[in-house]
Formats: sequence, C-alpha cells, structure tokens
Amino acid sequence: EVQLVESGGGLVQPGGSLRLSCAASGFTFSSYWMHWVRQAPGKGLVWVSHINGDGSNTNYADSVKGRFTISRDNAKNTLYLQMNSLRADDTAVYYCARDFHGSYDYWGQGTLVSVSS
Amino acid sequence: DIVMTQTPLSSPVTLGQPASISCRSSQSLVHSDGNTYLSWLQQRPGQPPRLLLYKISNRFSGVPDRFSGSGAGTDFTLKISRVEAEDVGVYYCMQATHFPRTFGQGTKVEIK
Repeated sequence: EVQLVESGGGLVQPGGSLRLSCAASGFTFSSYWMHWVRQAPGKGLVWVSHINGDGSNTNYADSVKGRFTISRDNAKNTLYLQMNSLRADDTAVYYCARDFHGSYDYWGQGTLVSVSS
Repeated sequence: DIVMTQTPLSSPVTLGQPASISCRSSQSLVHSDGNTYLSWLQQRPGQPPRLLLYKISNRFSGVPDRFSGSGAGTDFTLKISRVEAEDVGVYYCMQATHFPRTFGQGTKVEIK
C-alpha cells in the first residue's frame, strides 16, 4: 500500500526556518517525481515545488524561489522541503504528492506550517 | 501562469441528481506530446485531495463510474451522473501542460 506521511510542521516566527519531511512507503520511491503542494487555511491548492527521481532536477514556484529547497534521500525513501525566511503568507498545510500522468495519485495527510509572531 | 477558472463556485445538488462543473483555461492545454494534462481532484472535508480523473477523462483506480470528464483545448467538464452523500466536498481542476502547474479555485458541492 502506497503511503506518504509528512512531518516537521509547526509554529515559527517570521524569518524563521523549518524542514518538512515526507516518508514514503509501498512503492519504488526513486522512480517517481515528487511534489509539494500547499493550501492556505480556507483556500485552494497551490503547487510549490517538484523534484525528479534522482534529485537532479528541481523547480519552484516564484513565491518560494530562493527561500525553499526541495531534496530527497532515496536510500531513506524520504522527501524534504527546507523552508527559510518564512513569511506569514507561507502559512498553509503542506502536502507531499506523487506524480502521475501530469497529476497526483497519492497524497499525504499534510502538515500545518504556521508563521506568526 | 495559466489561469484555471471554474464555474460554478458552489453547487447545491439533490441526492441522486446530476452535477456538472466547468473548467476553462487561459491557454490551450494540448501539450506538444499530444496529451492534454487536465485532471480533476476531489477534496472531502478535512481530507487531502484525491485524484478522480487524469488526462481529461481517464478515471483513476477505484473512482466510481458516475464520475466522468470531457472537453478539449481550453474547456473541460466534470460530470457526476447521480450525486451521492459521499460526493460532498470541493472539486478542483488542475493543468500540468504548462509550467507551473495551476489549479482552479475549487467548486464546492453540497447537498440541498
């Protein structure tokens, strides 16, 4: 059974940092592009970042470029999102999701990041 | 970025009746590889999104056949043939033809 489990969210002050993790199981992790998608409270879905199977290709939304870094450890079947210089508008539930034919077939339950003083 | 516009934003439906959601993109979603990367996702209250349909009309594993998708180019439709109580939630269209991937605003389906 495919599972994605995020962790690492929490309350952080503006300007602070957090590292999110997404532990994957039930599939060959290194074979899949992986994504982070976020959802601000009561709002819609926004793509944040993606990474290819071996970690050599990454991309970011303009709103997080230069502040967030996506990475993966295929030996540990884990996806990461390092978030620096956090702002109030980064407050959201962050989901990791597996790429599938231009969409996402499996999603984690999400981890809440709150940026507030 | 490609703008995805969904209508309506709210859809009160009677159980057992059909529902339809429209999604329009600001540019054609036909990719150079010939595919159209338009998908539909459902988000039930308090849950992560769930994939319903990909590449316009391909139903994902386990998705009931009362869900169907159609359209081409810039205009797409999700239809629920007979709404059931478990279909309550927010539905999003999403495009992956152009970078970055973008979502519609969401359509809330609720029971009358």
